[in-house]
Amino acid sequence: DADVTQTPRNRITKTGKRIMLECSQTKGHDRMYWYRQDPGLGLRLIYYSFDVKDINKGEISDGYSVSRQAQAKFSLSLESAIPNQTALYFCATSDWDLNGYTFGSGTRLTVV
Amino acid sequence: EDQVTQSPEALRLQEGESSSLNCSYTVSGLRGLFWYRQDPGKGPEFLFTLYSAGEEKEKERLKATLTKKESFLHITAPKPEDSATYLCAVQADSSYKLIFGSGTRLLVRP
Repeated sequence: DADVTQTPRNRITKTGKRIMLECSQTKGHDRMYWYRQDPGLGLRLIYYSFDVKDINKGEISDGYSVSRQAQAKFSLSLESAIPNQTALYFCATSDWDLNGYTFGSGTRLTVV
Repeated sequence: EDQVTQSPEALRLQEGESSSLNCSYTVSGLRGLFWYRQDPGKGPEFLFTLYSAGEEKEKERLKATLTKKESFLHITAPKPEDSATYLCAVQADSSYKLIFGSGTRLLVRP
């Protein structure tokens, strides 16, 4: 099994719909992150969590929310999806900020 | 404002043709500089962390170096399996987050 598992891998949804992307990890790390990747823009941080009770906004949190259900689970929600949220979404985990992150394989989200 | 710029955007090499990828950064105080490799359809895979100017790290055909303003990823005698997008990221002393560059797409032809 992968260290970081994201579901679904691909999703097409309609404008205005609520959608949840899920992430689970088996690394035993406290820190978890959600990033989005757009062509030419690199990876941008949406939300991060250093433990179950600690949730922080990243640089592009508007239109998104998160839930840290357990140490191993971190979900990202789009409350009302819009087309410019079409992107590749990655979940990542780390035990310490200088050890490098372990990323999941991503969710490709298309909002039509 | 903290910023990372990678060049070139894309690079095509023949197998065995060595080259370097550049990562220029502006950050208030560098806590660490990171290199990742990303294959199509997959998440980034961590390669190296560099902490201070003058530091070097190696892994197989890859060597990363760091100065006060930039980092280089040197690829020696590349093979087709080295084809991927290479991402650079920095973390400032004052922040927990990584700032990523937009990457260099490397294609190594046999």
